[in-house]
Amino acid sequence: QVQLQESGPGLVKPSGTLSLTCAVSGASISRDDWWSWVRQSPGKGLEWIGEMQDSGSNHYNPSLKSRVTISVDRSRNQVSLEVKSVTAADTAMYYCARNGDWNPAADWGQGTLVTVSS
Amino acid sequence: QSALTQPASVSGSPGQSITISCTGTSSDVGRYDRVSWYQQHQGKAPKLLIYEVDKRPSGVSDRFSGFQSGNTASLIISGLQTEDEADYYCCSYAGSYVFGTGTTVTVL
Repeated sequence: QVQLQESGPGLVKPSGTLSLTCAVSGASISRDDWWSWVRQSPGKGLEWIGEMQDSGSNHYNPSLKSRVTISVDRSRNQVSLEVKSVTAADTAMYYCARNGDWNPAADWGQGTLVTVSS
Repeated sequence: QSALTQPASVSGSPGQSITISCTGTSSDVGRYDRVSWYQQHQGKAPKLLIYEVDKRPSGVSDRFSGFQSGNTASLIISGLQTEDEADYYCCSYAGSYVFGTGTTVTVL
């Protein structure tokens, strides 16, 4: 059973860059796998950020596309997320997920809380 | 890409059946038979319940079922149990993915 563990700074300053890593264990990242990031602002609903495949194919939420980069590193068995020019509105729990059949998250990490504040 | 519309809350008594609706448009729910449903207990990561409208992952109770008609998908929880108290989210493929607004289920 695949396990996902997100990590990264819990506090990021406004206008800075949010960088998170998702360590994948229990399985090796396959070239065919798709990986997503999903976030949830405090007390709010789920928001899909984007998805990436090791081949380089990717899709992003149009509302975040200009600021987001997702990458997959098979050699390290990890997935990464960068969000640039963050504001308080980017404060959220960030989840890493492995896509399933036509869904963005068959397997989820436990999430990591990121707060944007000076 | 607007969030899919779900009722804010649904409640039912133990043993009853409840239905959660998820309304989208002809560009997402109505165009693709690719709706999934997630359950999220307070303070926990979401869990996949249903994918491709009506398919259940291994290990998910058959009390959870899904169907779709036009631009609206639905999740049915039958034989409601106290452990079903949680937030539920639909999600549709639409070239990218879009989640629903979420529904809080209360077991009376």
